[in-house]
Amino acid sequence: AQSVAQPEDQVNVAEGNPLTVKCTYSVSGNPYLFWYVQYPNRGLQFLLKYITGDNLVKGSYGFEAEFNKSQTSFHLKKPSALVSDSALYFCAVSNNAGNMLTFGGGTRLMVKP
Amino acid sequence: ETGVTQTPRHLVMGMTNKKSLKCEQHLGHNAMYWYKQSAKKPLELMFVYSLEERVENNSVPSRFSPECPNSSHLFLHLHTLQPEDSALYLCASSPFRYGSDEQYFGPGTRLTVT
Repeated sequence: AQSVAQPEDQVNVAEGNPLTVKCTYSVSGNPYLFWYVQYPNRGLQFLLKYITGDNLVKGSYGFEAEFNKSQTSFHLKKPSALVSDSALYFCAVSNNAGNMLTFGGGTRLMVKP
Repeated sequence: ETGVTQTPRHLVMGMTNKKSLKCEQHLGHNAMYWYKQSAKKPLELMFVYSLEERVENNSVPSRFSPECPNSSHLFLHLHTLQPEDSALYLCASSPFRYGSDEQYFGPGTRLTVT
């Protein structure tokens, strides 16, 4: 069975500092990896995905993520955090064998002025 | 904003009531999904429809009954729910039911069962 782990329930960062939200996964076959963000009282919004190719993926709002196959990780990063980045972030995995998306438990990002 | 709308946004129902949640997507997608999001559990996939056929049913209790009359509309019919069914119910769609397709989510229906 496939799974996603987001080891931090909450990440606190000061505005202007770099941020990292961690994600590790377990899946058979070739992984497809996703990051979604959820703002209060809203549904999930797609940020970026890794399917194949370059291990560094760039997405919306200045976010990027790096696929690391040996460490089975897909950490989300941003060079300079904004207060408006404060939200709930979900990592998700599927694979090339038709598996459905499995989501991690989510990490709350708090960016303080 | 995402092209997926859900109604109602909030619903309070008693355990003996029958109600329905509605989802509509304006993206021309062929796959639609129902998820349950509760405070203590990760996002749980409930049902998947692809080209109007149900292709996934993740051991969901029969008190939840999905319906997909066409590729743009998805319903979740609710009856004799339990308090533990209180949650945010999210609808999503994707171009096809491929693992590589990103999903587009609606804003959700906040359901409270009293």
